Amino acid sequence: QKEVEQNSGPLSVPEGAIASLNCTYSDRGSQSFFWYRQYSGKSPELIMFIYSNGDKEDGRFTAQLNKASQYVSLLIRDSQPSDSATYLCAVLPGYGQNFVFGPGTRLSVLP
Amino acid sequence: GAVVSQHPSWVICKSGTSVKIECRSLDFQATTMFWYRQFPKQSLMLMATSNEGSKATYEQGVEKDKFLINHASLTLSTLTVTSAHPEDSSFYICSARDAWELGETQYFGPGTRLLVL
Repeated sequence: QKEVEQNSGPLSVPEGAIASLNCTYSDRGSQSFFWYRQYSGKSPELIMFIYSNGDKEDGRFTAQLNKASQYVSLLIRDSQPSDSATYLCAVLPGYGQNFVFGPGTRLSVLP
Repeated sequence: GAVVSQHPSWVICKSGTSVKIECRSLDFQATTMFWYRQFPKQSLMLMATSNEGSKATYEQGVEKDKFLINHASLTLSTLTVTSAHPEDSSFYICSARDAWELGETQYFGPGTRLLVL
């Protein structure tokens, strides 16, 4: 059973702080990792993806992947109240397979 | 780029009627589309994987005769909820995978909210 785990939260951070969201996965052979943001009542929207070990930066967002430890994280710098949402981690076990989604972490950025 | 649309955005129907939901990739070709369902405060649940020109693959526990999926072209997949009942009320979301993108990213549509009375 392929599993993806995330803390459900809520994770509360003050405006301007760094929010750190973590995700662990069980399938060691997983290939690709995705972070989606889902606002309440809306569908998920892609934030970024990462394939290789290390960091990948896109604006205020940084994804970090450590395949040896089987975790992937998302850092949000200078958090804004508009970042308040549920963040979904999705793992692609292998080419042509379906995503395995984590349950999501609810982030609340306090003004 | 990578825009996915869904129609309708919400629908209210009487119990026993059928509802069709369309999912379109607007600026890319999608050999594979996915249909998800999400109940309030719950995670996304994959219902089926739809491949262009072939039969959909349904997840365990999803009735294929109740949730009919057609993926007739590289830009359109439809989900028909047949003989809908109140327990089918949910948020239905499709996603599409770009046929020419190696990364297999899924792009989500805006979702369709179904209420069965």
